[in-house]
Amino acid sequence: IAGITQAPTSQILAAGRRMTLRCTQDMRHNAMYWYRQDLGLGLRLIHYSNTAGTTGKGEVPDGYSVSRANTDDFPLTLASAVPSQTSVYFCASSDGQGAGELFFGEGSRLTVL
Amino acid sequence: GQNIDQPTEMTATEGAIVQINCTYQTSGFNGLFWYQQHAGEAPTFLSYNVLDGLEEKGRFSSFLSRSKGYSYLLLKELQMKDSASYLCAVRDSNYQLIWGAGTKLIIKP
Repeated sequence: IAGITQAPTSQILAAGRRMTLRCTQDMRHNAMYWYRQDLGLGLRLIHYSNTAGTTGKGEVPDGYSVSRANTDDFPLTLASAVPSQTSVYFCASSDGQGAGELFFGEGSRLTVL
Repeated sequence: GQNIDQPTEMTATEGAIVQINCTYQTSGFNGLFWYQQHAGEAPTFLSYNVLDGLEEKGRFSSFLSRSKGYSYLLLKELQMKDSASYLCAVRDSNYQLIWGAGTKLIIKP
């Protein structure tokens, strides 16, 4: 089934640990995004990539890094996790054509203690 | 700054009609989106407006007035499965989406 796969779906992490959230899409979309979703707030863009080999910073990039080595994969890394990074993380992609609606993965719930 | 406002929560009755409003102030405008998000799930695309007027898609319709910075999502013949959060998002001049906090819609029998 075509779509976006995120892993892990849930993780509890000690503060100071390094963590990578994985995201893979098989729709051959050029653009990919990482958002975090917190109660009472809208989705906030962390990093994005308009095409393989390029990345850009979103609204809340501090403490996170991404890479886009190929079209399908867009991992998000927390170099040294802090409790304020406790959130639900969504990866999304779009083909950038027409409406360019986003297709979301199922989310990764991360708890940093 | 950029801002998207929508009510935090609304309650409606099964079979009725509900209108969820969204007002926005953004740097530029390149379209407005509505997404549905069931609890614990990912957002899914509902509608897209870039020109003024009403877009109808089955039981759901979305309206846009660019001059007023206003949109609404109209849900008809409400079903229990429509209980979800509805997210309004505007694509700004940089083609990035600015999201509202979402409206939690509760449907009662």
